[in-house]
This record gives sequence, C-alpha cells and structure tokens, in this order.
Amino acid sequence: AQTVTQSQPEMSVQEAETVTLSCTYDTSESDYYLFWYKQPPSRQMILVIRQEAYKQQNATENRFSVNFQKAAKSFSLKISDSQLGDAAMYFCAYRSLNYGGSQGNLIFGKGTKLSVKP
Amino acid sequence: DGGITQSPKYLFRKEGQNVTLSCEQNLNHDAMYWYRQDPGQGLRLIYYSQIVNDFQKGDIAEGYSVSREKKESFPLTVTSAQKNPTAFYLCASSTARERGTEAFFGQGTRLTVV
Repeated sequence: AQTVTQSQPEMSVQEAETVTLSCTYDTSESDYYLFWYKQPPSRQMILVIRQEAYKQQNATENRFSVNFQKAAKSFSLKISDSQLGDAAMYFCAYRSLNYGGSQGNLIFGKGTKLSVKP
Repeated sequence: DGGITQSPKYLFRKEGQNVTLSCEQNLNHDAMYWYRQDPGQGLRLIYYSQIVNDFQKGDIAEGYSVSREKKESFPLTVTSAQKNPTAFYLCASSTARERGTEAFFGQGTRLTVV
C-alpha cells in the first residue's frame, strides 16, 4: 500500500520570503500522480499543483513549484514571495494510475500548517 | 457553475441516531469519494464509488454506509455503530478514466455528537 509522509506539522515564513514544505511517499508503482492541496481556514480544498511521475520536469504554477525526486520518492513544495493569503494547511497527496481496485483514490499526508508573518 | 455541493454545512447528532450527509456533483464525474478529517490525521478515505450502483470500502468504513443510485449523488450515512463520529467530512469527485485529473472537493460538513 502507498503511504504519504509530511514530516513538518507546522512551518512559518516571513511575508515575501520563500518556504519549502516536505513530502515523501512510498510506492512500488512507476506510474502515478502527486498533488499539493491547500486548505485555508474556510476548509475548502484547493489544488495548488500537480506532478506526473513520468515527467522529469518539475511542475510550476506561478509562485508555486515542486522539487520532484522520483528515485528518492520526494515531492517538496516551494512557495516563493509568500503572501498572507498563503497561510493554510497544505496536504501532499498521491494518486495511483493502476487500473481497477482503488485506482483514482487520493492518499493524503497528515498536512503541514503554514503561517505567514507580516 | 459546475461543482460539488455538500449539505448541511453543520450537523448535530444525538447518541444512537443515524444521520445522512448529502453530496451532489454536476461535473459529470464517474468517481466519488468520502473522506473524514480529524486534527492531525489528514484525510482518511471512508468509501468510494467508481461507477453507479457500485462502491467500495476505504480505510475506515466501519460505522458508515453509502449508496450510489445516481451518478450525481453519493450520500453518506453515519450510523449509531460509529463510536466517534465527530469530525469534518469531505466529499470529492473525479474522472475515473482520464489520467491525472485531480479530485474536486465540496465545502465539507462538520458533524458533532451532542
């Protein structure tokens, strides 16, 4: 079974600075997707960024980028020029692409609470 | 606008009562999911359904039941057998066959036992 680990329960960053959130995962599969979701105080889950395992290029979305290390099974999220609105819980998630069974289910880490200081 | 609607936003349950959480989507997604969120636990999968009239247990299905009679709807019943039902419940949907699409989430239901 796949597992996702976020080792930082809480992180803090100064506004306009850069912060990196860590995520590691365990899988025997070669084809999968990884996601970072943001959950602000409203508790609405919002997709931040996704990474396809078969692509070596790291995904980027504006101020958000990932460092995907497939061999190390590591998927960290970098937030540049942090803004007050970035304060939220961030969840790393894994999605298997194996057909049948639990294909498509998202497996989540326990989350990292990010605080942004003005 | 397309999306997922969960209702109610807040729900209170008395001891021994069954309650049903509603989840409706108009995204034409095949797959739907129920997650439970507790502090410090992340999201844990309760049940999922890849197609109408079929559903599978997730990691913490005990004390819960679901149905999938329509593509758009995936209600979750929290039964009296669930010993610790107070939690935040999230419903999600996604395409079942296309590669890599993310899951879309509803706004959640906060269930409290009184």
